[in-house]
Amino acid sequence: DTGVSQDPRHKITKRGQNVTFRCDPISEHNRLYWYRQTLGQGPEFLTYFQNEAQLEKSRLLSDRFSAERPKGSFSTLEIQRTEQGDSAMYLCASSSIESAGGLDEQFFGPGTRLTVL
Amino acid sequence: GQNIDQPTEMTATEGAIVQINCTYQTSGFNGLFWYQQHAGEAPTFLSYNVLDGLEEKGRFSSFLSRSKGYSYLLLKELQMKDSASYLCAVRDSNYQLIWGAGTKLIIKP
Repeated sequence: DTGVSQDPRHKITKRGQNVTFRCDPISEHNRLYWYRQTLGQGPEFLTYFQNEAQLEKSRLLSDRFSAERPKGSFSTLEIQRTEQGDSAMYLCASSSIESAGGLDEQFFGPGTRLTVL
Repeated sequence: GQNIDQPTEMTATEGAIVQINCTYQTSGFNGLFWYQQHAGEAPTFLSYNVLDGLEEKGRFSSFLSRSKGYSYLLLKELQMKDSASYLCAVRDSNYQLIWGAGTKLIIKP
């Protein structure tokens, strides 16, 4: 399978615990995005990498959230001291700056569903 | 502020045609995307408009008017599998996607 993969698919944790999610983008894609989505809403932008550089981070994102993409391939998203309000689907997407016609469409992974008890 | 508006829910009949509207106010415009999202699954890309006019792709077409800040997605010959949420997203001046909340489309036999 050459699509975007995410691990784990589901995570249940207790409030106050730390969690880490992994995203493996499509191999030739140099851009990687993290989003959060709750029921009945569109994806909410969290952060964005081009290769290994984190170019943008949402101002809505608290300091408890951090993301890395150390070698410009896979990425991790860590949430420290989780709160019940963090319960959501966390989506990863990747795209290529070299895509035809500047389309640069984002391809999404299946998501990690986080439940904070 | 930036805003994308879409109807929350629409209902249509199998075999019919439905039009899902999207209006937007964003800081800059670098293209508009439509994505389909089935319940519990990730969004999948449907269409892209950057110039005014209609883009046709099989049973799906998407229209854009940049002067009006308006787009629509037209779905023809509806099938039950088209029941999903349809998300409108605009790429702004920072080249980031601003997403609408999605329109839940219910197809009835």
